[in-house]
Amino acid sequence: SYELTQPPSVSVSPGQTASITCSGEKLGTKYASWYQQKPGHSPVLVIYQDSKRPSGIPERFSGSNSGNTATLTISGTQAMDEADYYCQAWDSSIAYVVFGGGTKLTVL
Amino acid sequence: QLQLQESGPGLVKPSETLSLTCTVSGGSISSSSYYWGWIRQPPGKGLEWIGSIFYSGTTYYNPTLKSRVTISADTSKNQFSLKLRSVTAADTAVYYCARRSSNYFDYWGQGTLVTVSS
Repeated sequence: SYELTQPPSVSVSPGQTASITCSGEKLGTKYASWYQQKPGHSPVLVIYQDSKRPSGIPERFSGSNSGNTATLTISGTQAMDEADYYCQAWDSSIAYVVFGGGTKLTVL
Repeated sequence: QLQLQESGPGLVKPSETLSLTCTVSGGSISSSSYYWGWIRQPPGKGLEWIGSIFYSGTTYYNPTLKSRVTISADTSKNQFSLKLRSVTAADTAVYYCARRSSNYFDYWGQGTLVTVSS
């Protein structure tokens, strides 16, 4: 089965840039999405189709996807960005949705 | 504004069947543009896709759960449902319903905790 791998944790200082990676075989040939989840809340879509931002998501959130790695970048990270982040891909060959294991972003 | 709301028992006994319903408001599950799915999250762990249903009734399941899962839809009530058979403690999780637009989930329910325990 297809797997996506994320680092368990990433730390960043306020105002700096945070990068969270998501690795999977030939991930660049699939669309990657990213979700933010704060404690006790449902996931929120922050990036879809590799680099698109839904309405209402701040411009500091951006995404890219190439080769075997998709990356979520948060520029000028704020304390409110502290959360768990999950990547997700759709394997069209077998109509299968897969999530990465999640990355805890700490802003300190 | 589209809203999804999960409902069902919060406690299920081992070996029994977990049944949940997702009621959709502000949009129709009969739309040919979307899939409707279930995702779960064990306490303190990550997200796991369970499966999805298309308006035509076509279903897609996580291979690891496929033998125990059935997702169905009732378009007259604008609801879709999840049945997970032969549950164990490992099925204890927050269960979310969500709308899938092509290859991403853009609307999520608030989630409902289901505990498997005798």
